[in-house]
Amino acid sequence: KNEVEQSPQNLTAQEGEFITINCSYSVGISALHWLQQHPGGGIVSLFMLSSGKKKHGRLIATINIQEKHSSLHITASHPRDSAVYICVCRGWGGGSNYKLTFGKGTLLTVNP
Amino acid sequence: DAGVTQSPTHLIKTRGQQVTLRCSPKSGHDTVSWYQQALGQGPQFIFQYYEEEERQRGNFPDRFSGHQFPNYSSELNVNALLLGDSALYLCASSLGLGEQFFGPGTRLTVL
Repeated sequence: KNEVEQSPQNLTAQEGEFITINCSYSVGISALHWLQQHPGGGIVSLFMLSSGKKKHGRLIATINIQEKHSSLHITASHPRDSAVYICVCRGWGGGSNYKLTFGKGTLLTVNP
Repeated sequence: DAGVTQSPTHLIKTRGQQVTLRCSPKSGHDTVSWYQQALGQGPQFIFQYYEEEERQRGNFPDRFSGHQFPNYSSELNVNALLLGDSALYLCASSLGLGEQFFGPGTRLTVL
């Protein structure tokens, strides 16, 4: 079992739909990142959060530390949101070290 | 602000050769991390540099080495290339342990 599990693996939606991508983790973390990767490889960091909720435009990320679960929501989805969304957990390490564990990603396709 | 930049964008090498990839961090960032992303897979952490030293390393062989310069830019070196080293190599910069910003990547093909 992977330490960071994302669901679903693939998601197809119609433009305008509300989308939720989930991330569950089994390790202790100091922070969780949500990344967006478009075809061709470019990665954009969407959020870094360690508690509560963050919002940026149509994107909302939440995290529940007790339940070891985070969700990424996209409101009013658009075809340009089509990308792979990756959940990344940052663990605790001694001193200034830490370990990043990546989920396998969720491929989102938004059709017009 | 140019953000994180990487060079070259694409590279083709043959087995056994050596390669050097370069990364310039976002202005104000002092930490550089390198990742390998094979086709269809998520990124795998290679190592991280801070204050010109390797601070953390993933499960990669010694053929993978790096360097960070006083201006915080970084290089990733891979020796004795194998076919399996073909991948997208991503660099990310941060200020300490803060949010990481990724570069566009270098796509390496080993023939």
